Amino acid sequence: ETGVTQTPRHLVMGMTNKKSLKCEQHLGHNAMYWYKQSAKKPLELMFVYNFKEQTENNSVPSRFSPECPNSSHLFLHLHTLQPEDSALYLCASSQDPASSGEQFFGPGTRLTVL
Amino acid sequence: AQSVTQPDIHITVSEGASLELRCNYSYGATPYLFWYVQSPGQGLQLLLKYFSGDTLVQGIKGFEAEFKRSQSSFNLRKPSVHWSDAAEYFCAVGAPEYGNKLVFGAGTILRVKS
Repeated sequence: ETGVTQTPRHLVMGMTNKKSLKCEQHLGHNAMYWYKQSAKKPLELMFVYNFKEQTENNSVPSRFSPECPNSSHLFLHLHTLQPEDSALYLCASSQDPASSGEQFFGPGTRLTVL
Repeated sequence: AQSVTQPDIHITVSEGASLELRCNYSYGATPYLFWYVQSPGQGLQLLLKYFSGDTLVQGIKGFEAEFKRSQSSFNLRKPSVHWSDAAEYFCAVGAPEYGNKLVFGAGTILRVKS
């Protein structure tokens, strides 16, 4: 595997379900990100992890719970979601957390909440 | 805080015609500037970036962009569009004092007619 991978690619869940999104980067980067991409809205930064530590939580509801066990893996745990949470969730990574460098994106997980 | 405006939501061009996608940013100094492309169902792929130096930057797939400080712009251009260029294009801006956070524009959807 190369680059940034995300699983699953598609997920349908009910509002009472608990599920997790997984992201893995094979680039040796030190920073990882979760973004939410909704129709007709700009890309929204959700969380930033630098060297496994969360450095940004962009006022994300607690029904989204990130986890970063190491610099290569990032999870987004989901529970009691709402239909408006349906979106494409993108993971990204970058090499240097200290500067606004290039971010490499995964293909995303298309989430549908029923 | 920095911000990005992409004035055109949709643009349609004929195959073989030239293309210019507009991007304006708001930031007091020289930001880091990026153009990304997203094909349907995919993540974002970096086309090109500007950090400093030559204001005309070359990217992949025959794209180029020019940084114009006086106009706070970073427009993306391609001399001859191919049908495979149909996608959504995002301009993004970063700044040293904001660490590794990027702010994205709302995107421009490019349609190519044959």
